[in-house]
Amino acid sequence: QQQVKQSPQSLIVQKGGISIINCAYENTAFDYFPWYQQFPGKGPALLIAIRPDVSEKKEGRFTISFNKSAKQFSLHIMDSQPGDSATYFCAASNSGGYQKVTFGIGTKLQVIP
Amino acid sequence: DGGITQSPKYLFRKEGQNVTLSCEQNLNHDAMYWYRQDPGQGLRLIYYSQIVNDFQKGDIAEGYSVSREKKESFPLTVTSAQKNPTAFYLCASSISGVYNEQFFGPGTRLTVL
Repeated sequence: QQQVKQSPQSLIVQKGGISIINCAYENTAFDYFPWYQQFPGKGPALLIAIRPDVSEKKEGRFTISFNKSAKQFSLHIMDSQPGDSATYFCAASNSGGYQKVTFGIGTKLQVIP
Repeated sequence: DGGITQSPKYLFRKEGQNVTLSCEQNLNHDAMYWYRQDPGQGLRLIYYSQIVNDFQKGDIAEGYSVSREKKESFPLTVTSAQKNPTAFYLCASSISGVYNEQFFGPGTRLTVL
């Protein structure tokens, strides 16, 4: 059972374009939604995170949009750069009890010059 | 420098052999985790530990074992009972509590020959 569904699995964007990755979740108890960035051969690192009390969070070129009623959230990368080429994972967790993080399957982003 | 170290980076093992992957952190984090990463499947939780001398099974614990004798160490043993052990293994740690970032190590790539 995939509790966090992520799409697309791969994405090619031209330099300067907007990269958009979408995620949907089923468990309404989730109340923390981080995005992780992973470069080849490395471990993931936290990129940006949002809680459901806000609909949008922006950090530099990276923005999370959150739709609580639709149980969906997305990552937008503005002015995409070749250095953004990586795999991106959305995730969700429940603050109650053990903080288990459920990850999406990942999106491999390639930004071409 | 604070962080998480995993060793070795690459590991080869013959079928039928047990192998132990090392994970050490000097971040003074209480919680530690082991994930398995396979192409197209995201990060799947194997085991987690919130405090020393205590750990719980994750989603795919069969064929794996762990110990948590020290706060900074959380080794993972891949046993011969694990049917498809070839994968990229990631260790992570976090401060116990809600909304806390997971810090990942660089990973160990295990190949069964």
